[in-house]
Amino acid sequence: QKEVEQNSGPLSVPEGAIASLNCTYSDRGSQSFFWYRQYSGKSPELIMFIYSNGDKEDGRFTAQLNKASQYVSLLIRDSQPSDSATYLCAVTTSGTYKYIFGTGTRLKVLA
Amino acid sequence: KAGVTQTPRYLIKTRGQQVTLSCSPISGHRSVSWYQQTPGQGLQFLFEYFSETQRNKGNFPGRFSGRQFSNSRSEMNVSTLELGDSALYLCASTRGGSSYNEQFFGPGTRLTVL
Repeated sequence: QKEVEQNSGPLSVPEGAIASLNCTYSDRGSQSFFWYRQYSGKSPELIMFIYSNGDKEDGRFTAQLNKASQYVSLLIRDSQPSDSATYLCAVTTSGTYKYIFGTGTRLKVLA
Repeated sequence: KAGVTQTPRYLIKTRGQQVTLSCSPISGHRSVSWYQQTPGQGLQFLFEYFSETQRNKGNFPGRFSGRQFSNSRSEMNVSTLELGDSALYLCASTRGGSSYNEQFFGPGTRLTVL
């Protein structure tokens, strides 16, 4: 079982819709969760992080964490074509200082 | 505040050669991690340095090595290059004192091995 799993996609949503990206992790000791956006040919850009169970909102982005079920989600409201990118989930575990990345979900927002 | 910088941005080498890549972290960040990214394998962790010490290591052969200097700048070296080493090499930095720290990436060095 991979440590951090994401559906590779592509996930296609129409412009203006909500895009929902999911990530599951295997280590119950995981404590920090990060979402990165990566455009083709560019480096990953940090867009959200969450540490506690529940929701965290930042503009059009909402991160949701459920430690009991070991998943973290990223919701993108009012999706725009410019949101089309690969979204990477990363997880850290206490004391390791190592960021474990999923393989990413490719999102396509259709105009 | 300047971001993470990497040099060079592009590199073309031939099999058997060696290469050194450089990374300067965000000011105040003491941890530097290196990743290899290829279309087939995604983002693969190479190693992480904190205060000049390698703190974490991924599953890469010994041809891949790194170091960190007292000013937190880091270099990674790949010896005896193979065609499969062609990839985007990414450096990322964090403050380093906690696993809650956000990690920020540099623009990457694209290495092509011919």
